[in-house]
Amino acid sequence: EDQVTQSPEALRLQEGESSSLNCSYTVSGLRGLFWYRQDPGKGPEFLFTLYSAGEEKEKERLKATLTKKESFLHITAPKPEDSATYLCAVQARGYSTLTFGKGTMLLVSP
Amino acid sequence: DAGVIQSPRHEVTEMGQEVTLRCKPISGHNSLFWYRQTMMRGLELLIYFNNNVPIDDSGMPEDRFSAKMPNASFSTLKIQPSEPRDSAVYFCASSLLLRTGGLSEGTGELFFGEGSRLTVL
Repeated sequence: EDQVTQSPEALRLQEGESSSLNCSYTVSGLRGLFWYRQDPGKGPEFLFTLYSAGEEKEKERLKATLTKKESFLHITAPKPEDSATYLCAVQARGYSTLTFGKGTMLLVSP
Repeated sequence: DAGVIQSPRHEVTEMGQEVTLRCKPISGHNSLFWYRQTMMRGLELLIYFNNNVPIDDSGMPEDRFSAKMPNASFSTLKIQPSEPRDSAVYFCASSLLLRTGGLSEGTGELFFGEGSRLTVL
């Protein structure tokens, strides 16, 4: 059974204070690892897909990296508008569905 | 271009009542997913359809839950009878399923609606 564990559950940062979110996973043949952002009262919104160990993707202040066992979402010099819950999900090869972690709730204070 | 549209956004009902949640996927997408989100369990897949056909309903909790997709632009999730433990946010998502090497695999990019928050008293 595919499993995704995210840590920490919640993270509070000061504006400009860089940090990383962790996503550990077990999957029977990884097709892709996905990061989503969810704002309160909204549905998750796609951020990145990573397909193989060593791959990196960047978007503004966010950078996602992937190893064979975990992924990191690095947030550089965050701003209050980066506050959201960040969800990690995996897709096994040959399957069309995603298994999500419970997310990390990020709060960035001005 | 309109995204995934869900209704109602909020539903409060009493235990034992029937609840119907509705979803209109993005035009051109061929797969539709129903997820349930709670604080305790996070996002859980309930069922998914490909070309209007249910492919995997192993996440449906029990016989009280049923889902239909009569055409490419509409799906419903019904709970009858509802119970307090069904209280959650229900999300519908759509995607484009690609066929590679004989196996159909999703792009992994799901487009979610804004959810239906269900409270069963």
